[in-house]
Amino acid sequence: KQEVTQIPAALSVPEGENLVLNCSFTDSAIYNLQWFRQDPGKGLTSLLLIQSSQREQTSGRLNASLDKSSGRSTLYIAASQPGDSATYLCAVKVIWYNNNDMRFGAGTRLTVKP
Amino acid sequence: NAGVTQTPKFQVLKTGQSMTLQCAQDMNHNSMYWYRQDPGMGLRLIYYSASEGTTDKGEVPNGYNVSRLNKREFSLRLESAAPSQTSVYFCASSERGDRGTSSTDTQYFGPGTRLTVL
Repeated sequence: KQEVTQIPAALSVPEGENLVLNCSFTDSAIYNLQWFRQDPGKGLTSLLLIQSSQREQTSGRLNASLDKSSGRSTLYIAASQPGDSATYLCAVKVIWYNNNDMRFGAGTRLTVKP
Repeated sequence: NAGVTQTPKFQVLKTGQSMTLQCAQDMNHNSMYWYRQDPGMGLRLIYYSASEGTTDKGEVPNGYNVSRLNKREFSLRLESAAPSQTSVYFCASSERGDRGTSSTDTQYFGPGTRLTVL
């Protein structure tokens, strides 16, 4: 069974710091991996999606990498800002289960202090 | 363009009551999903609909039923609510649910329904 883990559960950094969020998964047979942002009391917003054949994706200050063989993905946030404070979730789309089954991690709650 | 909308935003039920959560999307997406989010557990897929007229079970379907009313709307029904169904429910949609491209696989989420079952 595919399990997705995000460590740490919470992270607090000063404004301007570069940071890395981690996501690990137990089964490398994934179709893609997606990073989401969730603000308190709100739905999820997709940040980046990496197909299994890709190694990384970039959007602005965000860079996501994927290493299928080791079952790991990282989300790099450059020059963090207080507006980046939110919970970040990763999700993998599995191959061996039904086509539309995505498995989510529990998320990392990020606080960027001014 | 409202994206994905959900109603109601909040709901309190007593054990045994029934209710239907409504979801609609205006992006002409083929696939729609229902998730529940519980503290410390991430999101879990309840049901999904790959295209109009089809529905399939996800990871935690017990106690729920769904209806893909048309391409825009996908409803989730609790026939006899239980305290274990207290959760936040999210609806999502994507352009294409099977093995597509990055843009077609990206899921767009509604704001959620916070349900409490007493």
